[in-house]
Amino acid sequence: DAKTTQPPSMDCAEGRAANLPCNHSTISGNEYVYWYRQIHSQGPQYIIHGLKNNETNEMASLIITEDRKSSTLILPHATLRDTAVYYCIPRFRGQNFVFGPGTRLSVLP
Amino acid sequence: GAVVSQHPSRVICKSGTSVKIECRSLDFQATTMFWYRQFPKKSLMLMATSNEGSKATYEQGVEKDKFLINHASLTLSTLTVTSAHPEDSSFYICSAPIEGGGEKLFFGSGTQLSVL
Repeated sequence: DAKTTQPPSMDCAEGRAANLPCNHSTISGNEYVYWYRQIHSQGPQYIIHGLKNNETNEMASLIITEDRKSSTLILPHATLRDTAVYYCIPRFRGQNFVFGPGTRLSVLP
Repeated sequence: GAVVSQHPSRVICKSGTSVKIECRSLDFQATTMFWYRQFPKKSLMLMATSNEGSKATYEQGVEKDKFLINHASLTLSTLTVTSAHPEDSSFYICSAPIEGGGEKLFFGSGTQLSVL
């Protein structure tokens, strides 16, 4: 399983873009990169996932480097409700989701 | 999106009693569900995989007789914490996967268990 490194915490001003990095230098070719977030005292929420190409949905954009050793989750216009712990999870299809410590994002007014 | 309903959201019980937590997939069928626990300021730890119609698969170090899992139907899995003790106090979260579009995992809202 690929190990991940995420900064333990980050701050972002409300209305600005939040860029959350994840290092997964040991990722295998068939491992997808998933991003989840967990707002305090709630279950995790799926955000986005990708394999090689950059992805965008209504919540966020996922930028995966060409060598796939790192990725960045982008919240284009962060709001106070985006304050949460964000988890980057490399995963093979059919494999369990393994959560690391994640990044605690604080969106400041 | 898919909805996983978990009940109760919070339970307080006396030491020695048993507590049942329900997890339902509301708009899809789930032959597999996952149970996680989370201690304060820690990440989620997978406890067990619940399989409809067969025995659950427990992660190493999780006592199967302590944490009873029943997956009675394609939309319901239950976790019973038997003879609960204060050290069982934790946040328990269930989840269910949806095939297609990349095997997304959807989570319930969690159950905060406090054992006195």
